Amino acid sequence: IAGITQAPTSQILAAGRRMTLRCTQDMRHNAMYWYRQDLGLGLRLIHYSNTAGTTGKGEVPDGYSVSRANTDDFPLTLASAVPSQTSVYFCASSAKAGEGDTQYFGPGTRLTVL
Amino acid sequence: GQNIDQPTEMTATEGAIVQINCTYQTSGFNGLFWYQQHAGEAPTFLSYNVLDGLEEKGRFSSFLSRSKGYSYLLLKELQMKDSASYLCAVAPGDYKLSFGAGTTVTVRA
Repeated sequence: IAGITQAPTSQILAAGRRMTLRCTQDMRHNAMYWYRQDLGLGLRLIHYSNTAGTTGKGEVPDGYSVSRANTDDFPLTLASAVPSQTSVYFCASSAKAGEGDTQYFGPGTRLTVL
Repeated sequence: GQNIDQPTEMTATEGAIVQINCTYQTSGFNGLFWYQQHAGEAPTFLSYNVLDGLEEKGRFSSFLSRSKGYSYLLLKELQMKDSASYLCAVAPGDYKLSFGAGTTVTVRA
């Protein structure tokens, strides 16, 4: 089934540990995004990639890094997790990085940092 | 930064109509999206407006006034399955989306 997959579905992590959230899409979309969603704050953009090989910072990039080695995969890494990174993380993609392009979301990863 | 406002919560009765307002002040404007998000699930696309006016899609309609920085999502003939959060998002002109905090709609029998 075409779409976006994320792994893991949920994770409990000790503070200070390194963690990579995985995101894969099979729609051959050029643009990909990582958001975090916190109660009362809505979706906030962490990092994005307009095309394979390029990445950019969003609204809340500190403490996170991304890479885009190919079209399909866009992993998000927390180098040293802190409790404030407890959140639900959504990966999204769009056909291109155009203004009217619809973003399609993965099912999310629920991360708890203790 | 971008400022997008929508009510936090709304409650309506099954079969009724609910209108969710969204006002925005952004550095630019290249369109407005509405997404639906059921609890514990991913947001799903509902509508996109870039020109002024009303776009109708079945029971859902979306309206945009660019001069007023205003949009609304109209849900008609409400069903229990419409209980969800509705997210307003603006494309401000930097190839990214800015989201409002979302409006939680509860449909009561």
